[in-house]
Amino acid sequence: GQNIDQPTEMTATEGAIVQINCTYQTSGFNGLFWYQQHAGEAPTFLSYNVLDGLEEKGRFSSFLSRSKGYSYLLLKELQMKDSASYLCAVRDSNYQLIWGAGTKLIIKP
Amino acid sequence: IAGITQAPTSQILAAGRRMTLRCTQDMRHNAMYWYRQDLGLGLRLIHYSNTAGTTGKGEVPDGYSVSRANTDDFPLTLASAVPSQTSVYFCASSDAGDSDTQYFGPGTRLTVL
Repeated sequence: GQNIDQPTEMTATEGAIVQINCTYQTSGFNGLFWYQQHAGEAPTFLSYNVLDGLEEKGRFSSFLSRSKGYSYLLLKELQMKDSASYLCAVRDSNYQLIWGAGTKLIIKP
Repeated sequence: IAGITQAPTSQILAAGRRMTLRCTQDMRHNAMYWYRQDLGLGLRLIHYSNTAGTTGKGEVPDGYSVSRANTDDFPLTLASAVPSQTSVYFCASSDAGDSDTQYFGPGTRLTVL
């Protein structure tokens, strides 16, 4: 079967750095996505990785290792508005997105 | 309209009733999707459409139907609602570019009693 694993919940302090991990086992791989979802709102696109390595976009970076079936999302200089769920999704051989259950990130002052 | 809109925002429905959730996008995206999101689970694909006139089944299609008469609209119909269809429903669209990134509508919160 296909599986995306990410921690259910994480807590971090305002101004700090947090790394959210995602491991996957899918039938094929055609890219990995990270989305942010605030409570009661729609998911919004954060990053896309299709090749190994680090993609940096402002305070957010995403890393991919295809050989290990592993990605992480790194959030720097955390702000209270970063409190949200972070969703990892992999596009499989059928070009469909397989979604993790999401990691709820709680930021404390 | 800017992006994707969904209607209604929320709905309470009696079991056995028919319900259509509406989704409209103005980005001229070819592909559109319907997902449901339940607590503790990842988004699950119900149906999708790669282009106007075509549709396909996702992971959890039973009890749902879709149509894609034109590029902009992608309605989702529950023929006879059941309580297990209580969920938040998201419509999304993608541009089939290099990343084929999906962009989501605001969602419809549906409760079936």
